[in-house]
Amino acid sequence: GAVVSQHPSWVICKSGTSVKIECRSLDFQATTMFWYRQFPKQSLMLMATSNEGSKATYEQGVEKDKFLINHASLTLSTLTVTSAHPEDSSFYICSAWDRGYEQYFGPGTRLTVT
Amino acid sequence: AQSVTQLDSHVSVSEGTPVLLRCNYSSSYSPSLFWYVQHPNKGLQLLLKYTSAATLVKGINGFEAEFKKSETSFHLTKPSAHMSDAAEYFCVVRLFQAGTALIFGKGTTLSVSS
Repeated sequence: GAVVSQHPSWVICKSGTSVKIECRSLDFQATTMFWYRQFPKQSLMLMATSNEGSKATYEQGVEKDKFLINHASLTLSTLTVTSAHPEDSSFYICSAWDRGYEQYFGPGTRLTVT
Repeated sequence: AQSVTQLDSHVSVSEGTPVLLRCNYSSSYSPSLFWYVQHPNKGLQLLLKYTSAATLVKGINGFEAEFKKSETSFHLTKPSAHMSDAAEYFCVVRLFQAGTALIFGKGTTLSVSS
């Protein structure tokens, strides 16, 4: 099946710094990618929908200036958490759509802000 | 609006006994429904999906689910639990047509005792 990778898998950063998370579709082209956030022992919440070559669509309550999403190619989307704070600590998961019925999820990136 | 409700936050079974994880959905359209599993520190794995074909859907690892429109339900079952089935299970509905975001239920933790 299709494979989606995320890098890094785990990152620790200091409060006030920025962190970039990459999401790649390894063996298919993804015109649409999605970013989710999962707090401990909670469900996944959609943050934004990213279409290649256009601006991301953010869900209500998600700060677009804080969570910068770039989808510059058909195989890569990036999420940058700017001026990170401890409350941004979470598990960030991306998924990519292969134009079929299914979305493929990446393994997730655990962000810890100290 | 599309939504799913997982009726049990935690289900405990003994190895070899049946598993039932309950999910009800709300949808303005003919929905596409999914069950995903998340093992500790692992990525999401698709168990099965319903996309308006057969109402009884068979998935991986012996799981199956039945779409019941009259009851707006999509319960997940397995005849005989295995220790390796212990994980978090998410019932998911797709927002609109293929390529749009997925809406996750709150999750059900399945515990399997020997």
